[in-house]
Amino acid sequence: AQSVAQPEDQVNVAEGNPLTVKCTYSVSGNPYLFWYVQYPNRGLQFLLKYITGDNLVKGSYGFEAEFNKSQTSFHLKKPSALVSDSALYFCAVRDMRNTGNQFYFGTGTSLTVIP
Amino acid sequence: GAVVSQHPSRVICKSGTSVKIECRSLDFQATTMFWYRQFPKQSLMLMATSNEGSKATYEQGVEKDKFLINHASLTLSTLTVTSAHPEDSSFYICSATIGGRTGELFFGEGSRLTVL
Repeated sequence: AQSVAQPEDQVNVAEGNPLTVKCTYSVSGNPYLFWYVQYPNRGLQFLLKYITGDNLVKGSYGFEAEFNKSQTSFHLKKPSALVSDSALYFCAVRDMRNTGNQFYFGTGTSLTVIP
Repeated sequence: GAVVSQHPSRVICKSGTSVKIECRSLDFQATTMFWYRQFPKQSLMLMATSNEGSKATYEQGVEKDKFLINHASLTLSTLTVTSAHPEDSSFYICSATIGGRTGELFFGEGSRLTVL
């Protein structure tokens, strides 16, 4: 089955420092990978996606993610963290093998940027 | 990006009553909508996939008679929690894709249901 794993429940980083939120995946076939951010009591907002092409994907709010096929990873990164980046981040994979085309989400990583 | 509107954002109801949550795609046609449930500090649990004009496909363990999903048009899907109980209290989120196999999901703002 398609799945993603986010090994860290919580990531703390000082403001201005680079941040990384980790995600590994397990898929059959080509992976369609996504990152979303969720602020308290809100829906999820799309950050970026990898479908094909360049391994480094740039997205919203200065975030980027690197697709690494050999390590089956899709880590989210930002060169300089802001306090406003504090939120819950979800990695997701889209299951393209059936007609439902469902998205499956990781368990989420809570990012706290410390002023 | 595309806009998905979800209403109501918060609802409080008494045990035994039914609650309807609406999910609308405002500027695109959504042939497929997804309903998720999120528990505090946990990930999203896919409840069902809703296709316009056909019956929803429920994930294993989700009671279809309790969580009624209707996708009557290309811009509207509804989730009705029937005979709600306190354990149904949760954050429910709908989402939709524009179409195409590589498209991302666009999410509603979620609905916080509290059953007293």
